Amino acid sequence: DTAVSQTPKYLVTQMGNDKSIKCEQNLGHDTMYWYKQDSKKFLKIMFSYNNKELIINETVPNRFSPKSPDKAHLNLHINSLELGDSAVYFCASSRGPNNEQFFGPGTRLTVL
Amino acid sequence: QKEVEQNSGPLSVPEGAIASLNCTYSDRGSQSFFWYRQYSGKSPELIMSIYSNGDKEDGRFTAQLNKASQYVSLLIRDSQPSDSATYLCAVNIEGGYSTLTFGKGTMLLVSP
Repeated sequence: DTAVSQTPKYLVTQMGNDKSIKCEQNLGHDTMYWYKQDSKKFLKIMFSYNNKELIINETVPNRFSPKSPDKAHLNLHINSLELGDSAVYFCASSRGPNNEQFFGPGTRLTVL
Repeated sequence: QKEVEQNSGPLSVPEGAIASLNCTYSDRGSQSFFWYRQYSGKSPELIMSIYSNGDKEDGRFTAQLNKASQYVSLLIRDSQPSDSATYLCAVNIEGGYSTLTFGKGTMLLVSP
């Protein structure tokens, strides 16, 4: 009965590779988010989708491309991974764009 | 640019004491305020939300908001060692598609 789930939990890969992280929520929420938490633990918004439409796109390299096939899913694809991409990536969802957000367990990405 | 400031800590309190966590924000248009708790290696967990000036109590937790002073706080009564975590303050502006801006968090250590 997990509310917001992400896969994989851990991802270790080489520089230059392409990888994807998947997120699913079963809360019936309309809005989903991707956050990045760096080594200093600072949590920063990357993208937000509302009803499958991109509504927030912060200053993120073009190598990062989100995709929302339906309201319950938001995936993140990363091309040409770099060392600086190493971080924990959290998916979150909320009833609407300005409501309380609920976070998934996170995906720890390590780029070697 | 929206900013949310928190003392990084650590804030050390003995078991049974009141822990007081503080947060200031820069944008006077902010309308929604949230406190999240994050244990090491885990995802942020919503503890409290507050939208209007004054106090809001939920069990051992009390959130306090003063919009005139642009200040929001979280009090934890009867602190327990299990409360030891990083507490994140998050602020949102109502209307449109705005982002939830997080502070860098305050680490709380409750000693037995």
